[in-house]
Amino acid sequence: DTAVSQTPKYLVTQMGNDKSIKCEQNLGHDTMYWYKQDSKKFLKIMFSYNNKELIINETVPNRFSPKSPDKAHLNLHINSLELGDSAVYFCASSQFPGQGTGANVLTFGAGSRLTVL
Amino acid sequence: AQKITQTQPGMFVQEKEAVTLDCTYDTSDPSYGLFWYKQPSSGEMIFLIYQGSYDQQNATEGRYSLNFQKARKSANLVISASQLGDSAMYFCAMRESTGRRALTFGSGTRLQVQP
Repeated sequence: DTAVSQTPKYLVTQMGNDKSIKCEQNLGHDTMYWYKQDSKKFLKIMFSYNNKELIINETVPNRFSPKSPDKAHLNLHINSLELGDSAVYFCASSQFPGQGTGANVLTFGAGSRLTVL
Repeated sequence: AQKITQTQPGMFVQEKEAVTLDCTYDTSDPSYGLFWYKQPSSGEMIFLIYQGSYDQQNATEGRYSLNFQKARKSANLVISASQLGDSAMYFCAMRESTGRRALTFGSGTRLQVQP
């Protein structure tokens, strides 16, 4: 039973198209994230939701719109895709990292590789 | 400013030997957590080990240990008795207890274990 599942695993699309990636977690976590990993393997936070509320919104083009219908799901919609959007997008979840130093480890999905042609 | 620095883009180690992957960090927050993740060629991110800034002991998990030197702001990962399956990218990450509270990752180190 996959803890954090993302679909689709691979997306190949043309510039200008719109696409969505879906993510679901069955760990009972209350916080979910989207990370982008570029071609140099650098991982950068894009968004985070806690109990359906957006808590992190990094400097990301507004063509990217996350949606969290409930705390177990976090989707990412991308409009007007550009070549530079090609990357691996990771969904992750954790318990909300409060002010202590508890681990609240992030569990990652397998990633969705987006290729824009 | 770079918060997590991994200065070794690539490392080689012989099977059965130990290897140390370097990580330094920068924060003014007294409360933070440090993490190491492994990313094999299959692409998934696998959590390895965690160290809290107030933890007195260095963290250990099986063959993984974290050499935490708080004054030097370093959190090096030590892998003992390397195995071929340890060949992967390794990422150091930090989460501060204030502000965004998301993991900030270093640029990674690619480890290759040679038979």
